[in-house]
Amino acid sequence: AQSVTQLGSHVSVSEGALVLLRCNYSSSVPPYLFWYVQYPNQGLQLLLKYTSAATLVKGINDFEAEFKKSETSFHLTKPSAHMSDAAEYFCAVTTTDSWGKLQFGAGTQVVVTP
Amino acid sequence: DAGVTQSPTHLIKTRGQQVTLRCSPKSGHDTVSWYQQALGQGPQFIFQYYEEEERQRGNFPDRFSGHQFPNYSSELNVNALLLGDSALYLCASSLSGRPTDTQYFGPGTRLTVL
Repeated sequence: AQSVTQLGSHVSVSEGALVLLRCNYSSSVPPYLFWYVQYPNQGLQLLLKYTSAATLVKGINDFEAEFKKSETSFHLTKPSAHMSDAAEYFCAVTTTDSWGKLQFGAGTQVVVTP
Repeated sequence: DAGVTQSPTHLIKTRGQQVTLRCSPKSGHDTVSWYQQALGQGPQFIFQYYEEEERQRGNFPDRFSGHQFPNYSSELNVNALLLGDSALYLCASSLSGRPTDTQYFGPGTRLTVL
């Protein structure tokens, strides 16, 4: 079985500052990892995914994440926060034998202050 | 190109009733997954349908059942509703359900059980 842990249920960041959201995974087989964003009253939108190619993954809206096997981590970063980045962010994991069953973390709510 | 659509948007039921939620996948997608997202939590996998059959199931009771039609649209049925079934129900579609495929989410159906 696989799981993810997102450290910090709420993160507050100033506009223009670095955004760092932490995700650690647990899996006995090679994982595939995803970051999704959810705006209020909407579904989830994919930011980026790791599928065992490059360990540094670039996504939409200048987000990127690095897969670190030794640390079992897949942290999400963005160099400069915008007001529009205020949303909830979810890290998710799946594996080859899970056929796309995504296991999500509890989420991190991001607040951006002017 | 229409994305994943779900109906209805909101639904209010009373305990013991039955409910049916509907989902139309993104054009070209043949795999549909359903997730339950309770308030303040990450989505939880309910089940996945591929070629009109349930391919995978999460830890949900038999009160939760589904169906996939030849046009790949899907229904989620919940019988004998409990207060704890109140949640946002998300449908996601993908090309084939492979673990590396991106799952595209609909806006969800908000179910309230009174």
